[in-house]
Amino acid sequence: NAGVMQNPRHLVRRRGQEARLRCSPMKGHSHVYWYRQLPEEGLKFMVYLQKENIIDESGMPKERFSAEFPKEGPSILRIQQVVRGDSAAYFCASSRMTSVGETQYFGPGTRLLVL
Amino acid sequence: DAKTTQPNSMESNEEEPVHLPCNHSTISGTDYIHWYRQLPSQGPEYVIHGLTSNVNNRMASLAIAEDRKSSTLILHRATLRDAAVYYCILRASGGSNYKLTFGKGTLLTVNP
Repeated sequence: NAGVMQNPRHLVRRRGQEARLRCSPMKGHSHVYWYRQLPEEGLKFMVYLQKENIIDESGMPKERFSAEFPKEGPSILRIQQVVRGDSAAYFCASSRMTSVGETQYFGPGTRLLVL
Repeated sequence: DAKTTQPNSMESNEEEPVHLPCNHSTISGTDYIHWYRQLPSQGPEYVIHGLTSNVNNRMASLAIAEDRKSSTLILHRATLRDAAVYYCILRASGGSNYKLTFGKGTLLTVNP
């Protein structure tokens, strides 16, 4: 059973470009979460999605950031017009359910560097 | 969300037990205690969780104080592969408990 997959693992963008981060959850998992880890900081929750629905985007910046989890295919975190402050590691996690005992399985992350 | 307090760093020798403490004095009665760890350049990895009773699994043991205001993650025999940042996280039994709140964690160094 393959784990959570994220690609690309490393992404370099110039200021003003768009970044697209992809996440394929574990098989059988319909709940996806995105977290961001700024340098020297802990992970911060960004958004929680189920298939075709955004459940909670309270941790995601209101502008330039969007997320989707279509019926078919991976979840996408999209950052438009990137700025240097967007440089961070972005982690995706998935779970079967959201109960408190349910484990969130994390992917290896995408490290975004904005020049 | 209830807060957790962990030492910034700890050091251990290979093959020796490691006790990683976590204080959570404002824990509520329905909060679960979860531990995750993050190895260098990787995503977080689930370690163990519990509510009131001590818990054991193949990775570690979790000892929970009787008043639940603190807990200790126990690695019985540290290996070099256990070098990581360890996060103690409280998860409520309801509401938006899917949001894992990661603090700074404890950086564990394992000496050969």
